[in-house]
This record gives sequence, structure tokens and C-alpha cells, in this order.
Amino acid sequence: DGGITQSPKYLFRKEGQNVTLSCEQNLNHDAMYWYRQDPGQGLRLIYYSQIVNDFQKGDIAEGYSVSREKKESFPLTVTSAQKNPTAFYLCASSWQVDSYEQYFGPGTRLTVT
Amino acid sequence: GENVEQHPSTLSVQEGDSAVIKCTYSDSASNYFPWYKQELGKGPQLIIDIRSNVGEKKDQRIAVTLNKTAKHFSLHITETQPEDSAVYFCAAPGGTSYGKLTFGQGTILTVHP
Repeated sequence: DGGITQSPKYLFRKEGQNVTLSCEQNLNHDAMYWYRQDPGQGLRLIYYSQIVNDFQKGDIAEGYSVSREKKESFPLTVTSAQKNPTAFYLCASSWQVDSYEQYFGPGTRLTVT
Repeated sequence: GENVEQHPSTLSVQEGDSAVIKCTYSDSASNYFPWYKQELGKGPQLIIDIRSNVGEKKDQRIAVTLNKTAKHFSLHITETQPEDSAVYFCAAPGGTSYGKLTFGQGTILTVHP
């Protein structure tokens, strides 16, 4: 069963703690993306990766970090420097960056109090 | 960078009616226009897309039309059903990051039985 998995579905953290969100894909896609979604807004790009061991900042990268050690995995760390971390986080992948067709995972809802 | 405007923000129709959602974009170089459907608490699902070399694409009850001169594209859903109720997002490439999609703000479609 091919697709993108994100875990956990819900995540709760105390302010000041770093937290890592998982994203795994078995579609053999080269490119992977992290988006943030807030109520009433569209999706905003945090980071993207075109290939293993390479990643680029998106529009709202401040307070976030990523790694791409394996083709299948693209974890996102929300650091304590992120001022408003509570949001719905979506991971996506595509064959290549310039293929544009992006497929999304189910998302992780992060709540920081 | 790319700017995508989506209208209306909410749309309410009776079952069986048609629904139309429109997006405008700013980057005349954009050549790929997807539409996503997002159900509550889930990740967006790619439902249809169009490239700039065609003016219309249809898949059963959904269709997308593109007017490159006016820089707008629209999603048309015919014979709407209650299960079509969701948030719909349009997107276009461009912006500051290669391979990036810029998303519209979303349209909440409600189909009343």
C-alpha cells in the first residue's frame, strides 16, 4: 500500500520544548515538502528537499529544521524558537521538484501550550 | 513572487446543483494549475490539474478551465453530492523557491442534501 505516512496524528508539547514530526513515503519520490496550515489560510511552505542530503528553505523556515538522510524520510523539527508553533503540519512528496504534482500525507496537528 | 487569489471563500449549494470556484494568479510564466480537496482533519487530495497547453480538462463530474490571457483558472463541479462538501484549494507554481506551489486561501464548499 503506497503512500505518505505522518506520525503522530496529534502531538502536544509544552512551550520551550523541541518536537520532531515524522514523514515517511514509499512512493520512490525524489522531492519532499513540509507545509504549515493555519485556520482560514492556505498552505505555506516551510522546507523542501529535492534529493537526499539536500534541502532548501521555504517561505516560513524560521524556527524549523529538517534533515534528509534517507530518500523515504523527511523529519521536521519544530524548535523552541518558533513563536507560534501550534498548527496543522502537512508533508508532501513528488517525483521531482519540477514535476509539481504533489501528494500529501494525513497531517500532524501540533498543539503547544 | 506568485500571488494566488481564490474566490469565493465559502460556497453553499443544493445537492444536484453546480459549483464553480475561481482562482487568479500573477506569474504569467506559471504553467501548471492543480486543485486539491481537503476533508476535515485530513491532508489535501489532488483531484484534477491542468497544464498551460490546454484550455480545459474534465474528469467525470469535475472540470478545470484555464484562461492564460486573463490569468485565471476555475474548478467546476456538476451534479454536486453531499460528499463533495470539503475545502478546495487551488495552486500555481512560481514564487521564490524552485518547484514551489503557491496555494489559494481555500473555499469551503457545503452541499446541502
